[in-house]
Amino acid sequence: EPEVTQTPSHQVTQMGQEVILRCVPISNHLYFYWYRQILGQKVEFLVSFYNNEISEKSEIFDDQFSVERPDGSNFTLKIRSTKLEDSAMYFCASSDLSSGANVLTFGAGSRLTVL
Amino acid sequence: RKEVEQDPGPFNVPEGATVAFNCTYSNSASQSFFWYRQDCRKEPKLLMSVYSSGNEDGRFTAQLNRASQYISLLIRDSKLSDSATYLCVVNDRSAGTYKYIFGTGTRLKVLA
Repeated sequence: EPEVTQTPSHQVTQMGQEVILRCVPISNHLYFYWYRQILGQKVEFLVSFYNNEISEKSEIFDDQFSVERPDGSNFTLKIRSTKLEDSAMYFCASSDLSSGANVLTFGAGSRLTVL
Repeated sequence: RKEVEQDPGPFNVPEGATVAFNCTYSNSASQSFFWYRQDCRKEPKLLMSVYSSGNEDGRFTAQLNRASQYISLLIRDSKLSDSATYLCVVNDRSAGTYKYIFGTGTRLKVLA
C-alpha cells in the first residue's frame, strides 16, 4: 500500500535553530499538506501546497515557516529560529483530489522537541 | 463557533457495547466528511468516509445530516482494540480551497 514517508522521526533542537522536516508524499498525489499536533491537543492545519505553490495557509504558518518541493519527490517544511512552542508532532499528508478520491493520507510524523 | 466540534470524552464503555459519537461543523459549504482514528502518538488513519446516504463498514456506521450540519459514528460490539481517539474531519472545498479541518477528537476506552 502506498505510503507517505517522513524524516526524521524525532528531532531535538535548541531554541533559535533552524529545522527542516522532510516528507515524500504518495507518488501520484498532487496535493500536499503539513499539519501540527501539540501533545494532547488537536491536529492543526498549517499549509496546503499544489502545483508548486502554497494554496492556503493558516495563521500559525507565519514568516518563520516555509515549504518547498525541491525535486519531484520531496516536500519539506522549514522552521527558522525555532521557539519552545514549536515543540509538536508535525504530520505531512497528501491527497489526490483530482480523481475525486479525496482521502487524506498521513505520514507517521516527525516529533520536534525544542529545548 | 468552532469549525468542527466534538465531545472530547473520554467515553468508557465495556467490551461488546454500542457507542456513538457526534460531530458538528460550522461551514454549510463543506463537501466531504471523514472519520479518522488516531492511536496515542501515532498519525491519524482513515476509518471511513461519510456519504450523504450513510454508510456502513462492518461494525462501523457513519451518518451525515447536512441540514443540521452534523456527522455521527456508531460502533457496534466494541472491541478492546477500538480504544483510540476518533477524529471528525471536514473537507472545505469552497472558494477553491482544499483544507481538511479536524475536530478535537473523541477518546474512546473499551474496558474488559
